[in-house]
Amino acid sequence: AQSVTQLGSHVSVSEGALVLLRCNYSSSVPPYLFWYVQYPNQGLQLLLKYTSAATLVKGINGFEAEFKKSETSFHLTKPSAHMSDAAEYFCAVSVMGFKTIFGAGTRLFVKA
Amino acid sequence: DADVTQTPRNRITKTGKRIMLECSQTKGHDRMYWYRQDPGLGLRLIYYSFDVKDINKGEISDGYSVSRQAQAKFSLSLESAIPNQTALYFCATSDTTGEGDNEQFFGPGTRLTVL
Repeated sequence: AQSVTQLGSHVSVSEGALVLLRCNYSSSVPPYLFWYVQYPNQGLQLLLKYTSAATLVKGINGFEAEFKKSETSFHLTKPSAHMSDAAEYFCAVSVMGFKTIFGAGTRLFVKA
Repeated sequence: DADVTQTPRNRITKTGKRIMLECSQTKGHDRMYWYRQDPGLGLRLIYYSFDVKDINKGEISDGYSVSRQAQAKFSLSLESAIPNQTALYFCATSDTTGEGDNEQFFGPGTRLTVL
């Protein structure tokens, strides 16, 4: 069965520092993987997605993620955090093309 | 204008009351979903619909029902609300695809409190 594990429910970084949010997945078939972001009082919006093309995926707002099959990982990174990046981030895997399994989420705090 | 809208945005109700949450979309997508979000649990699927005639239970459908009135409208009902249904509820849509690219488009959410 497909599943997603996000390591760390809370991550705190200083403004300008590297952002690294970890996601590991379990899938019996080649996965489609997603990162979504949720800003306060808003719905989720797509940051980026992996659909079996390039393993390094670039998304909006300077975020990127690398698909590593050998490690079953899809970690999200951004070289330099900005205050506006403070939000909750969800990793997700698509199952059978129509269902999405979400991780528990990681809340990112950015300190000035 | 927002592509996926939800009404109401906030609702406080009492135990035992019937409540309906509504979702409308202008994206023209066939697939619609209802999720609930609880702290530390991420999003969990309640129901999903592939078209007006196709409705399916998700992982936590007990205590909920849905109605797909049209391609653009998908409503979630709590027949007799209970306090542990207090949560943030999201409607989402996705386009039909034979591949696994199930990118979802979310509404702004409805915060429901059951007293």
